[in-house]
Amino acid sequence: AQSVTQPDIHITVSEGASLELRCNYSYGATPYLFWYVQSPGQGLQLLLKYFSGDTLVQGIKGFEAEFKRSQSSFNLRKPSVHWSDAAEYFCAVRSGGYNKLIFGAGTRLAVHP
Amino acid sequence: DADVTQTPRNRITKTGKRIMLECSQTKGHDRMYWYRQDPGLGLRLIYYSFDVKDINKGEISDGYSVSRQAQAKFSLSLESAIPNQTALYFCATSVREGADTQYFGPGTRLTVL
Repeated sequence: AQSVTQPDIHITVSEGASLELRCNYSYGATPYLFWYVQSPGQGLQLLLKYFSGDTLVQGIKGFEAEFKRSQSSFNLRKPSVHWSDAAEYFCAVRSGGYNKLIFGAGTRLAVHP
Repeated sequence: DADVTQTPRNRITKTGKRIMLECSQTKGHDRMYWYRQDPGLGLRLIYYSFDVKDINKGEISDGYSVSRQAQAKFSLSLESAIPNQTALYFCATSVREGADTQYFGPGTRLTVL
């Protein structure tokens, strides 16, 4: 069965520091992968997605993610974190047969000034 | 995303009451989804609909029902609410495309006492 694992429940970084959020997936075929962000009291906003082509994907707000098939990973990165990046981040894989998204449990990011 | 609206945004109700959560979208998408979010569990799919005449159960449909009144409207009902249905509920929409990206509403926070 398809699954998504986000190993880090909570991460704290200092403003200006680099960030990497981990995501591992389990899926038999080539996956469609997504990263969403949920700011406090808000819905989910799509940061970026991967479904083919270049394995390094650029998204909004300065985020990028790299698909590594050999490691079944799709880690999210940002070179310099801003205080406004404090939010919860969800990795998801599309279950191809039903076009539904399977989400990880989320990683909550806190940013120290 | 202002194109997907949910009402109410917050609701407190009592065990045994019937509750309806409504979702409307102006994106013109055919596909609509209902998810619930619980801390530490990410989002889980309740029901999804690929068009007005096509409604399907997700992974946690027990205790819920849905109605697709029109292409733009998709309602979720709890026939007899119970406390473990206390959660944050999200509606999402998508259009059939390569990655079938889903766009989320702002969420409804439901508390069942």
